[in-house]
Amino acid sequence: QQPVQSPQAVILREGEDAVINCSSSKALYSVHWYRQKHGEAPVFLMILLKGGEQKGHDKISASFNEKKQQSSLYLTASQLSYSGTYFCGTDAGGTSYGKLTFGQGTILTVHP
Amino acid sequence: DGGITQSPKYLFRKEGQNVTLSCEQNLNHDAMYWYRQDPGQGLRLIYYSQIVNDFQKGDIAEGYSVSREKKESFPLTVTSAQKNPTAFYLCASRLAGGLLYEQYFGPGTRLTVT
Repeated sequence: QQPVQSPQAVILREGEDAVINCSSSKALYSVHWYRQKHGEAPVFLMILLKGGEQKGHDKISASFNEKKQQSSLYLTASQLSYSGTYFCGTDAGGTSYGKLTFGQGTILTVHP
Repeated sequence: DGGITQSPKYLFRKEGQNVTLSCEQNLNHDAMYWYRQDPGQGLRLIYYSQIVNDFQKGDIAEGYSVSREKKESFPLTVTSAQKNPTAFYLCASRLAGGLLYEQYFGPGTRLTVT
């Protein structure tokens, strides 16, 4: 089942902060975050594993609450380049390990 | 430079024709994936392959077929049985066997069927 992202859209001024949430009805093994510019390929941002390990870019942070099956992506001091659609992808592990189910996306627009 | 190549970038076909989308990677990745993206929607998994000569159906496999005869190649055929084939198709790959390996995406093929 597809994870649910909130909000659906966010509009910011440069320098403002935003939080994007991802919620799943399934127990999760990991959560992946990607950003996609219009008409382009998604670009990797973060991976968060059950148990606390994570990997990602220095300027972006995220959290993963395993009990609640939720993850949040924190964008601080936003820049114009942060504009795009953000997707979370969830991996339930087990026999479906490596298979990501993506949310519907959150559109982030940063204005000067 | 290592990466994923998808060709062509734009593809136009008449209804009732099968069409094959190419995906090649030189990253030495084990796993490869095909996603479909419709306007304003997320990515939906069509097929994936963790190893050569093996692949699994994703969430929306009906009307599609794949092969994985070589590690670097994972072509997708959109058959005439696919009712709404017009979409943006993304191929991805990933190293297997590790927990912190992300998926790398190709530039995509935009397919229009009329």
